[in-house]
Amino acid sequence: DSGVTQTPKHLITATGQRVTLRCSPRSGDLSVYWYQQSLDQGLQFLIHYYNGEERAKGNILERFSAQQFPDLHSELNLSSLELGDSALYFCASSVDPVVGGGTASYEQYFGPGTRLTVT
Amino acid sequence: ELKVEQNPLFLSMQEGKNYTIYCNYSTTSDRLYWYRQDPGKSLESLFVLLSNGAVKQEGRLMASLDTKARLSTLHITAAVHDLSATYFCAVESGGSNYKLTFGKGTLLTVNP
Repeated sequence: DSGVTQTPKHLITATGQRVTLRCSPRSGDLSVYWYQQSLDQGLQFLIHYYNGEERAKGNILERFSAQQFPDLHSELNLSSLELGDSALYFCASSVDPVVGGGTASYEQYFGPGTRLTVT
Repeated sequence: ELKVEQNPLFLSMQEGKNYTIYCNYSTTSDRLYWYRQDPGKSLESLFVLLSNGAVKQEGRLMASLDTKARLSTLHITAAVHDLSATYFCAVESGGSNYKLTFGKGTLLTVNP
C-alpha cells in the first residue's frame, strides 16, 4: 500500500458524460501527478500540481481538467467522454522536491488507479 | 521531447535463467526509476537511480544507470515465477519538471 488513495476504483459511463476522479496523496506530500494508462498510448503524464498550483502539463486534452484543493487532495475532471478515454487513471504523489534537495529521491508513489470504461 | 525505449517488450524465460531488460532514453537526465506492475494493479516502485554509475540490487533484480550512454539496465538473476509481471522504466524530465516519461514496458513471463 503506497498510502495514495483513489476513488472510485471502477467507473462505467456513457459517451458524452462527465466524471470526476479523486486522489488523496500520502500524508505530507505536496505534489500530485495524474497519469493515463491505455493499451495504445501506454503510460502518459497528464498534469502535475504542487501545493494547489499547476506545475506542468503533459498530453492532457482540453476536455480534461484538474485541480488540487487546500487539503491537498486532487480531482481530475473528464468531460464529453469518448470511447477512447477508456483507460486506467493513476495519480501519484511525491515529497516536495525543493525540500528534498541534492540527490534526494523525488520518487512518485502511485495510487491503485481508477479504471474508466466509456460505453 | 524525451523519448524512452525499452527492449525487449516481451520476454519469456525459464526459471533459473538470467536476462537483462534495457532502457534507453533520448535526452540528458540523471533520475531514472524502475516500476513493476501486476495485471490490473498499480505501479510498485522497484529502484530509484539518481546518478551516473548508480547500481541498486534487491533480491534477484539489479538495476544500473549510465547517464553518459543514456542507458539503464534491469538484470534478472535466476528467475522465478513470482517475477512474472510488466516492468517499466521511467525517466524524470529534470529541471523544475518532475514528470515521468515511461517506456512501453516489458512483459516478463517466467515459465517453470
